Amino acid sequence: SAVISQKPSRDICQRGTSLTIQCQVDSQVTMMFWYRQQPGQSLTLIATANQGSEATYESGFVIDKFPISRPNLTFSTLTVSNMSPEDSSIYLCSVYSGTGDGYTFGSGTRLTVV
Amino acid sequence: EDQVTQSPEALRLQEGESSSLNCSYTVSGLRGLFWYRQDPGKGPEFLFTLYSAGEEKEKERLKATLTKKESFLHITAPKPEDSATYLCAVQRNTGKLIFGQGTTLQVKP
Repeated sequence: SAVISQKPSRDICQRGTSLTIQCQVDSQVTMMFWYRQQPGQSLTLIATANQGSEATYESGFVIDKFPISRPNLTFSTLTVSNMSPEDSSIYLCSVYSGTGDGYTFGSGTRLTVV
Repeated sequence: EDQVTQSPEALRLQEGESSSLNCSYTVSGLRGLFWYRQDPGKGPEFLFTLYSAGEEKEKERLKATLTKKESFLHITAPKPEDSATYLCAVQRNTGKLIFGQGTTLQVKP
């Protein structure tokens, strides 16, 4: 299965600022996803990162707030813009390799906005 | 509307006390059902994929089963190291996953 490196692992940010999270995969994958996991909650899909085109966002998530880049088949970034305390969550990158292991997840970025 | 519901929300077991976790779902165009384990501060770790009703898969003390409406994760003679949150997710025909809320399992020695 694919191995994902996600950075940073955690950060504390001031409200009104932006944070960019990186997701690097050790192999080329077609499908990459970004999730949010709020404290004590399950995972909610933010968007599908598409290589060479704009990301596809889920209901309730917009590009201005969560811009995503996918320059190639092994790398993607998620930016959390103009942050507020409500954005404090764990953000996770995931890839689908199409093999029996299904979806692999990064270790997550724990974001605290103060 | 596609939905995944897990029960119970929390489960406390004594070491060696077997039990089952439930995942019921309603989804159009189901491609697969996934079980994950998540430890605090970590990303979900893949356990099983089930594709069709009647399918079963086992790994150590865990066994997952699937019907047309629900899946069970059976834990036989659990150990304290099995303590974690267990997540169920269904895969839509679009390739996206919908997650349940999870069951937090605590196994006491």
